Amino acid sequence: EPEVTQTPSHQVTQMGQEVILRCVPISNHLYFYWYRQILGQKVEFLVSFYNNEISEKSEIFDDQFSVERPDGSNFTLKIRSTKLEDSAMYFCASSLGGAALETQYFGPGTRLLVL
Amino acid sequence: RKEVEQDPGPFNVPEGATVAFNCTYSNSASQSFFWYRQDCRKEPKLLMSVYSSGNEDGRFTAQLNRASQYISLLIRDSKLSDSATYLCVVILYTGGFKTIFGAGTRLFVKA
Repeated sequence: EPEVTQTPSHQVTQMGQEVILRCVPISNHLYFYWYRQILGQKVEFLVSFYNNEISEKSEIFDDQFSVERPDGSNFTLKIRSTKLEDSAMYFCASSLGGAALETQYFGPGTRLLVL
Repeated sequence: RKEVEQDPGPFNVPEGATVAFNCTYSNSASQSFFWYRQDCRKEPKLLMSVYSSGNEDGRFTAQLNRASQYISLLIRDSKLSDSATYLCVVILYTGGFKTIFGAGTRLFVKA
């Protein structure tokens, strides 16, 4: 069964450093998403991406965040200057059609720790 | 008021019990509704979509009441493997589609 993959599984970084989280969505999916989950809290929507552009973003997704689909398979989340409060699990997801109609499949997540 | 609200639990039930989870949402622009389950430190996985007519998948039944902005999930004949956090998920249309998760309801099924 096809699945979403994410790398790395864990990342430790110093405050102020840039990190890039990588995702490989399911190959025929057209919609891509990033979420975060701070330990013990709910899953929070960050951004959705379709047709090589952001289709929706939340208030959390400020100027320090960016997303890119650099080639036909990868989908990345960049955090430019990490803060302590960016420590969380980051999930990538993909869906064949838009979120309102189609199941989103989640990757296993990248656990980011900012020191 | 929270966009999606769930009883956090935990619900502790014996195997074979029937358990019901409730969820309310505040925004009438909500378009689609789902139940996901999340095991500890794992990714959310779709359990079922929720339709106005109600829908059933084996031991699981989901209901939606748009007038009351209320969603429910019923699990019959609970198994040990049902132990997880159940997440109510709403897709909101605000010019684009945004996925809103509830904080989840924790279920422990004991032998």
